[in-house]
Amino acid sequence: QIQLQQSGPGLVKSSQTLSLTCVITGDSVSSNSAAWNWIRQSPSRGLEWLGTTYYRSKWYNNYAVSVKSRITINPDTSKNQFSLQLNSVTPEDTAVYYCARSIGSGYAYNIWGQGTMVSVSA
Amino acid sequence: SYVLTQPPSVSVAPGKTARITCGGNNIGSKTVHWYQQKPGQAPVLVISYDNDRPSGIPERFSGSNSANTATLTISRVEAGDEADYYCQVWDSSSDHPVFGGGTKLTVL
Repeated sequence: QIQLQQSGPGLVKSSQTLSLTCVITGDSVSSNSAAWNWIRQSPSRGLEWLGTTYYRSKWYNNYAVSVKSRITINPDTSKNQFSLQLNSVTPEDTAVYYCARSIGSGYAYNIWGQGTMVSVSA
Repeated sequence: SYVLTQPPSVSVAPGKTARITCGGNNIGSKTVHWYQQKPGQAPVLVISYDNDRPSGIPERFSGSNSANTATLTISRVEAGDEADYYCQVWDSSSDHPVFGGGTKLTVL
């Protein structure tokens, strides 16, 4: 059974860096058929995909235009996990953050982490 | 960028059929996924690739996709189906996924 377990602080100060980690069990971050994503949800923005990392003979990343200048998603093969770093946060980045596994060329998100509510204080 | 439009709310009586639409320009040419989200929980994939049910999803859930509208159909609706439902596609022009705004299903 594939599971994703998120961890990270629930409160971040403006201008600082938001950091979250997602530990994978039952699958490998180096899988050639899955991709590993961060998605956030807020009342104002709904569900918003932030970015992905995946391995297809080499590592690839793809980031949303809205956060491209501020985001890094890194795989950690030694711990079978991946992480999110979002720099220079503002209160607009307040949201529930989810890690999620996607499969197939249509990118269906079939496994989700439990979610982390992150508040950015002004 | 590609836009998906969902009605904010749909209401249905128990035992009846609920249909939740997702509109998009020529969405029939894309692959649509549907998610169910209950309060305080992460979304759950209920329909993938237009009309595939992941393991564990009841047969009461089905999907269709044609022209400019994709539809999630829930037959014999139960109280436990009350949730927010989101459609999602992959926008190949931007190489990004797109989510609809969500529909709140109320079971009367």
